[in-house]
Amino acid sequence: GENVEQHPSTLSVQEGDSAVIKCTYSDSASNYFPWYKQELGKGPQLIIDIRSNVGEKKDQRIAVTLNKTAKHFSLHITETQPEDSAVYFCAAFNNAGNMLTFGGGTRLMVKP
Amino acid sequence: EAGVAQSPRYKIIEKRQSVAFWCNPISGHATLYWYQQILGQGPKLLIQFQNNGVVDDSQLPKDRFSAERLKGVDSTLKIQPAKLEDSAVYLCASTPGSGGGNEQFFGPGTRLTVL
Repeated sequence: GENVEQHPSTLSVQEGDSAVIKCTYSDSASNYFPWYKQELGKGPQLIIDIRSNVGEKKDQRIAVTLNKTAKHFSLHITETQPEDSAVYFCAAFNNAGNMLTFGGGTRLMVKP
Repeated sequence: EAGVAQSPRYKIIEKRQSVAFWCNPISGHATLYWYQQILGQGPKLLIQFQNNGVVDDSQLPKDRFSAERLKGVDSTLKIQPAKLEDSAVYLCASTPGSGGGNEQFFGPGTRLTVL
């Protein structure tokens, strides 16, 4: 089955700096890669996603890049704010397994 | 639009007891998922329903876990008997259509503590 590795497990940045979270996946058939943000006591919420026919996608301060050859994808957050502090999860989906597999999560702390 | 509702939000039981969780997905969402999220880990799929049929339950420990979605709307997940390692947050999610590579909308989860 699919295996998704996520790094780093914790990330601390100063407000205004950029944050980068990286994930690798094992199944080359995976074709959909969402990123979820989970705040304390809440369920994960989708913040951005990318499909395998696209190399990069941007939405205001967040962007995601995908390298299908290397089987890795990354989340970039620019101009971080304290409210960006949360746990972020990457995930990979493929039609054959019909299943979303999550990475282990990254706890992002933005210091004011 | 109301989100995914789950209850209870918290539950504390002793090992070998039984427990049930309830989920009401977003109206009109055909596909419903139950995930187990152990502290410090990502969610792990337990079971997926499309309408009232099971699509995938390959990762559900069927000797103690069961789930149903009888009318294709609400769903319940049961654990009987519970073990210490079942302590986790149980998340319900839903998505329109057949699921696939589409956004899953998550509920707030039920935090289970097994003593």
